[in-house]
Amino acid sequence: LAKTTQPISMDSYEGQEVNITCSHNNIATNDYITWYQQFPSQGPRFIIQGYKTKVTNEVASLFIPADRKSSTLSLPRVSLSDTAVYYCLVGLYGGYNKLIFGAGTRLAVHP
Amino acid sequence: GAGVSQSPSNKVTEKGKDVELRCDPISGHTALYWYRQRLGQGLEFLIYFQGNSAPDKSGLPSDRFSAERTGESVSTLTIQRTQQEDSAVYLCASSLWDQGDNTGELFFGEGSRLTVL
Repeated sequence: LAKTTQPISMDSYEGQEVNITCSHNNIATNDYITWYQQFPSQGPRFIIQGYKTKVTNEVASLFIPADRKSSTLSLPRVSLSDTAVYYCLVGLYGGYNKLIFGAGTRLAVHP
Repeated sequence: GAGVSQSPSNKVTEKGKDVELRCDPISGHTALYWYRQRLGQGLEFLIYFQGNSAPDKSGLPSDRFSAERTGESVSTLTIQRTQQEDSAVYLCASSLWDQGDNTGELFFGEGSRLTVL
């Protein structure tokens, strides 16, 4: 099972771009990388998923280098409502598996 | 309902009592997961189900913890002889695993907050 490592916390200001990097050195060939966001007193919710290169949706971008040993979640122009904990999850796509979350990154966005 | 439903939302119990936490996944979701989250901490994997089977129970913290799923639907997490260290939010998530084009996204419930006095 791929173990993930993320910074414990990050601070930013409204309007800035935030990049959160996750390390997953022992990622397996069939593993996908998924990022989740969690607000206080709520369950995590899906943000974005990718396998390699770059993926973009309406809320974020995900950059994955060729060796796939890390990934970077990019949040453009953050607002106060982006203050949350962000989790990187590595797991097998298209099959049942034991999905282990890392410790997450606590992002605080300041006015 | 449209989402994952968990009950009770809050449970306060005395040390030594048994508790049952219930999860109603999204209809048709074949995979179901239980996680524990202590205050200010990350998500600790407990167990997952493929249909009604749990292939890997190694995440359960002790033999006081057990879980079952019936009808490929409702799941119950049972904690016997609760201890203060069991106090946490217990989160359930479901996912649709198939051969089709889906992300395997986990849909989480709001959690059951357990307080053991």
